[in-house]
Amino acid sequence: DAKTTQPNSMESNEEEPVHLPCNHSTISGTDYIHWYRQLPSQGPEYVIHGLTSNVNNRMASLAIAEDRKSSTLILHRATLRDAAVYYCILIRNSGNTPLVFGKGTRLSVIA
Amino acid sequence: DTAVSQTPKYLVTQMGNDKSIKCEQNLGHDTMYWYKQDSKKFLKIMFSYNNKELIINETVPNRFSPKSPDKAHLNLHINSLELGDSAVYFCASSQGLAGEGQYFGPGTRLTVL
Repeated sequence: DAKTTQPNSMESNEEEPVHLPCNHSTISGTDYIHWYRQLPSQGPEYVIHGLTSNVNNRMASLAIAEDRKSSTLILHRATLRDAAVYYCILIRNSGNTPLVFGKGTRLSVIA
Repeated sequence: DTAVSQTPKYLVTQMGNDKSIKCEQNLGHDTMYWYKQDSKKFLKIMFSYNNKELIINETVPNRFSPKSPDKAHLNLHINSLELGDSAVYFCASSQGLAGEGQYFGPGTRLTVL
């Protein structure tokens, strides 16, 4: 599986945008880029995914570099409830592939 | 409506006992998974089932036996519990496609004394 690299931790002020980076320089053409987050004492939560184009949903936006070797999860206005560990995960398009979690980025949001 | 549910939420038991954790999903997904999160918070896949068939078994001891009576349920039975089995166990489901998200249950915290 292609590996991802994320900063261990980041901090943001409440109501400001947050850009969470992820490097995946060994990504293959059939790998999807997924983002999940885990709030304290909860199960992981799907956030967003993409293949080549930027994606938006109600939770976040995903910006994918043109060469696909990096991506950025964008939370447009951080709230205290967004404090969580965010995981960037590559999934090969071969069906029934489980998630391989790294250490993720621990996001702290300051009121 | 809870999409992926697990019971029980907490499980405290003695070493050597046998216990089960149940998981149900109402999303109509074909694929279900069990993940383990250890004390250092690392999440790791244990099993994956597609339409009641085992497709992934990540070198988990054979004391752990998943059972899928139908594609909406994936239960985890653990025999002869050991101290090292203490962890949080998460069930998840998906359509089994790389272009779709996985949805997780709330977790079962297992403590072996």
